[in-house]
Amino acid sequence: DTGVSQNPRHKITKRGQNVTFRCDPISEHNRLYWYRQTLGQGPEFLTYFQNEAQLEKSRLLSDRFSAERPKGSFSTLEIQRTEQGDSAMYLCASSTSSTGNTGELFFGEGSRLTVL
Amino acid sequence: KNQVEQSPQSLIILEGKNCTLQCNYTVSPFSNLRWYKQDTGRGPVSLTIMTFSENTKSNGRYTATLDADTKQSSLHITASQLSDSASYICVVSGRGGSQGNLIFGKGTKLSVKP
Repeated sequence: DTGVSQNPRHKITKRGQNVTFRCDPISEHNRLYWYRQTLGQGPEFLTYFQNEAQLEKSRLLSDRFSAERPKGSFSTLEIQRTEQGDSAMYLCASSTSSTGNTGELFFGEGSRLTVL
Repeated sequence: KNQVEQSPQSLIILEGKNCTLQCNYTVSPFSNLRWYKQDTGRGPVSLTIMTFSENTKSNGRYTATLDADTKQSSLHITASQLSDSASYICVVSGRGGSQGNLIFGKGTKLSVKP
């Protein structure tokens, strides 16, 4: 069990550029979550997948954001036309159905985005 | 509105001292409450879970309490160590809700000084 892996760990981009983050969950976990966290705040829910199906999206996930989990394993989160307000830590987490239902998520170390 | 409020926002204590962090919530219906520890630059890690019927639960030097009537929880850290320096996040899960019903508090940033 290598844990949840995210890359890149850090991304600096200019406003208007597109960025993509990748998350590899714990192998036996069927649920995968994306959260956004800004300094001094708790994580904010963006979206989650059960296997390859995207079951829920937050209103925070504007049309510039898209997430995929094509084969039910790794996931990507793409942000198009980045804005300075997108600067944040993007956290990925995974769980099984049972641990997810108790709120126990296993988080990766995050991908920090800085938009200049 | 479902909310989780944590206090204090930040706390500085000396190594070896005890401290207590507070969490008040308005999430209803309630399923469970978790305390997560988040080291700087890392993802949160679950410390303990409290369900409706549980009042106290210990995990080593960490003891969590829950009062479901007043909708309050606390996390008590005994004999603090430098490695306890982190943000502690209270997360409340609504019963029967979606994954979006995991309501995260803003966290308490604890600094343990030698």
